[in-house]
Amino acid sequence: EPEVTQTPSHQVTQMGQEVILRCVPISNHLYFYWYRQILGQKVEFLVSFYNNEISEKSEIFDDQFSVERPDGSNFTLKIRSTKLEDSAMYFCASSEWGAQRLTGTSTAKNIQYFGAGTRLSVL
Amino acid sequence: KNEVEQSPQNLTAQEGEFITINCSYSVGISALHWLQQHPGGGIVSLFMLSSGKKKHGRLIATINIQEKHSSLHITASHPRDSAVYICAALITQGGSEKLVFGKGTKLTVNP
Repeated sequence: EPEVTQTPSHQVTQMGQEVILRCVPISNHLYFYWYRQILGQKVEFLVSFYNNEISEKSEIFDDQFSVERPDGSNFTLKIRSTKLEDSAMYFCASSEWGAQRLTGTSTAKNIQYFGAGTRLSVL
Repeated sequence: KNEVEQSPQNLTAQEGEFITINCSYSVGISALHWLQQHPGGGIVSLFMLSSGKKKHGRLIATINIQEKHSSLHITASHPRDSAVYICAALITQGGSEKLVFGKGTKLTVNP
C-alpha cells in the first residue's frame, strides 16, 4: 500500500542551525501539508502546498520556515535558524484532491495520509 | 478558543466494552477526519466524513452537521485499540484547506 515517508525519523540539532525535514508524498497526490505536534499538545497546521506554491499557512509558519518541492517526489520543510521551541514532531501529509475538488460530499480522494513523523530536538 | 473540542480527554475501558468518543466543532467545515495516533507518534486516518455514518470493521463514525457534532464508536473493544483518537475539522477557505485538530482522547483498553 502506498505511504508517505519522512526522513529522518529523529533529528537532533543545535539552536540556530538550519534543518531540512524531508517527505516523499504518495506518488499520485497533488496536495501536500506540514503539521507539527509539540510534546503533550495537539497537532497544529503549518502549511499547505499545491501546484508548486503555498496555498495557506498558519501564524506559526513565519519567515524562518519554508517549503519546497525540489523535484517530482520530495517535499521539504526547512527551518532556517532553529529555536528551542521548534522542538516537536513534524508530520507531512498528502492527499490526491484538495479544496478545489471538495464538492460537499467526502470522497476518499480528499483523505490526507500522514507520514510517521520526524521528531526534531533542538538543544 | 478551541474550534474543535473532544470528550472525554481520557477513557479507560475493559476489553469488550462499547466505546464512544465525542467531537464538537464551532466552525463551518467541509468534512471531519477521525485519526488514530499510536504511542510511537504515527498518525493513521480512520475516516473522513461530511454526512451520515461510516463503518469500517469495529469502528463506526457518525456526524450531525446541523448540531456540529461527530462521534467515533468502537464495538467489542480490544487492548490493541489503545491509542489516542483525534478528530480534525477540514476547513476550506478560498481554495485552500487545512485540518484543525482536537486535543485527542487517550483510550486505554485493559484485558
